[in-house]
Amino acid sequence: SAVISQKPSRDICQRGTSLTIQCQVDSQVTMMFWYRQQPGQSLTLIATANQGSEATYESGFVIDKFPISRPNLTFSTLTVSNMSPEDSSIYLCSVRVYEQYFGPGTRLTVT
Amino acid sequence: GIQVEQSPPDLILQEGANSTLRCNFSDSVNNLQWFHQNPWGQLINLFYIPSGTKQNGRLSATTVATERYSLLYISSSQTTDSGVYFCAVEAFGNEKLTFGTGTRLTIIP
Repeated sequence: SAVISQKPSRDICQRGTSLTIQCQVDSQVTMMFWYRQQPGQSLTLIATANQGSEATYESGFVIDKFPISRPNLTFSTLTVSNMSPEDSSIYLCSVRVYEQYFGPGTRLTVT
Repeated sequence: GIQVEQSPPDLILQEGANSTLRCNFSDSVNNLQWFHQNPWGQLINLFYIPSGTKQNGRLSATTVATERYSLLYISSSQTTDSGVYFCAVEAFGNEKLTFGTGTRLTIIP
């Protein structure tokens, strides 16, 4: 199994600002995943982050809006840039250790 | 990409009732997981079940990979079972988990 922590757990931000979300895992993993869950919706994959290489983004998500860092095998950050109210969502970090595990999420509200 | 549909979308039951949730997927998979998202948003792993049947207490799951569906059974429902249940699959050759549409379960005391 894997234990994942995320910071912050929640935040309220103003339109036009940026927020960086941190994800820490208790074991070394090759891939880390970032998901978004908009209100009342299912989870959508934003990008996959491998250590030492550029993240791979899914259709509809771009690096300028969601830059990701992966400095080592236990840590990653996701930045939500130039936020608008449509970015209000839960952002979840995830890893695979045999099966996939999810962090507690960061609940973001943009006003 | 692979499509994942869950039914029913909403389910309201009295405490003590049994329920069956269904997950249909459009292609062959090498990973299928069931999650429970509690009212606080936390995703809880229920089953890793790409094929076959598993049981864990009041919950059990069956995946029939050849027919591209999975079922989650909840017996003797409790109010703590309320929340959203997601099925998520990984297609062969694609190391990404795709989530279904979810089933919102509400258990009434």
